[in-house]
Amino acid sequence: DAGVTQSPTHLIKTRGQQVTLRCSPKSGHDTVSWYQQALGQGPQFIFQYYEEEERQRGNFPDRFSGHQFPNYSSELNVNALLLGDSALYLCASSFNAYEQFFGPGTRLTVL
Amino acid sequence: AQSVTQLDSHVSVSEGTPVLLRCNYSSSYSPSLFWYVQHPNKGLQLLLKYTSAATLVKGINGFEAEFKKSETSFHLTKPSAHMSDAAEYFCVVSVKAAGNKLTFGGGTRVLVKP
Repeated sequence: DAGVTQSPTHLIKTRGQQVTLRCSPKSGHDTVSWYQQALGQGPQFIFQYYEEEERQRGNFPDRFSGHQFPNYSSELNVNALLLGDSALYLCASSFNAYEQFFGPGTRLTVL
Repeated sequence: AQSVTQLDSHVSVSEGTPVLLRCNYSSSYSPSLFWYVQHPNKGLQLLLKYTSAATLVKGINGFEAEFKKSETSFHLTKPSAHMSDAAEYFCVVSVKAAGNKLTFGGGTRVLVKP
């Protein structure tokens, strides 16, 4: 079992650009959640996808959007990047939002 | 709404001595509580979880935590620290009524001295 995988590992963008991050859930999992972890802080919930729909959303602006595909994999899109979007983005998968397993994360740097 | 407060941002212990990481939570509903560990440049690994069964929860690598409803606490302990325990630890709360989204504390960084 490959566990939760995320790509890319690292990414460097400039202000105003757009970025797409990808997540493949653990086998048998149907729910994907995304978290943002700024340097020196705990992760913060962005949103959760289940059955290809956004089921819950945290306190993040509309610049943050996502998608879940029929195979349960997911994308996180961020538009109009700001310096403050620099963070580690974590994906977690679960079966119906129960115990969540985390991927290694994508480190986004915005210059 | 739920929230978590980790009372120490940094803890320093000597190898072989006990570790105590303190966590208080707030929740309008019966919570599930978790401790996760994050080693440098790694993802989050679940150490243990409380989901309304036994109040003393045993996890991996010799860690355990006790749920105390009257004190709204969920402190993490280990009798004897190992060098490999040096990492960041997060106390986390979730409630079913909020779709089981995880709310993290600010983290406690553990330093283990030889």
